[in-house]
Amino acid sequence: AQTVTQSQPEMSVQEAETVTLSCTYDTSESDYYLFWYKQPPSRQMILVIRQEAYKQQNATENRFSVNFQKAAKSFSLKISDSQLGDAAMYFCAYRSNAGNMLTFGGGTRLMVKP
Amino acid sequence: DTGVSQDPRHKITKRGQNVTFRCDPISEHNRLYWYRQTLGQGPEFLTYFQNEAQLEKSRLLSDRFSAERPKGSFSTLEIQRTEQGDSAMYLCAIPRGARMNTQYFGPGTRLTVL
Repeated sequence: AQTVTQSQPEMSVQEAETVTLSCTYDTSESDYYLFWYKQPPSRQMILVIRQEAYKQQNATENRFSVNFQKAAKSFSLKISDSQLGDAAMYFCAYRSNAGNMLTFGGGTRLMVKP
Repeated sequence: DTGVSQDPRHKITKRGQNVTFRCDPISEHNRLYWYRQTLGQGPEFLTYFQNEAQLEKSRLLSDRFSAERPKGSFSTLEIQRTEQGDSAMYLCAIPRGARMNTQYFGPGTRLTVL
């Protein structure tokens, strides 16, 4: 079974600075998708960024980028120019191309200091 | 807007009562997923529908849980004889995007069992 591990329960960053959230996963498959979702307090879970495992190029969405290391099974999220609105729980998730369900990590709570 | 609404948003019930939640995709989607998220944890997969057919169920879905998707549109999740351990956020998700490989979540129903 696939597992997703987020080793940082909490992270803190100063506004306008850069922060990196870590995620590792375990799978025997070669074709899969990885995601980062953001869940603000008492609000809806939204997609931040997606990475297809067959793509070597790291995904980027505005201030958000990933460092995808397939051999190391590592998928970190970098947030540049952090804003107060980035404060939330961030979840890393895995989905096999052959399957349907998402497997989530335990989450990292990001605090942004003004 | 993720294209998914859920009702109710909050439900408080007494132990032993039955509850039913509803998930409504705004537009037609072949697939629909249910997840459960306990406080401070990542979501866990419960079940998945392809049109009307319930194709996959997690071991988390005990015999007190039943899900339906009549006509392949909206879906309901019923919990019978609720227990305090059922207290959680229940999330519905639909796939969208290229190759339908990304799941987008509704706002969830927060269940509190007293």
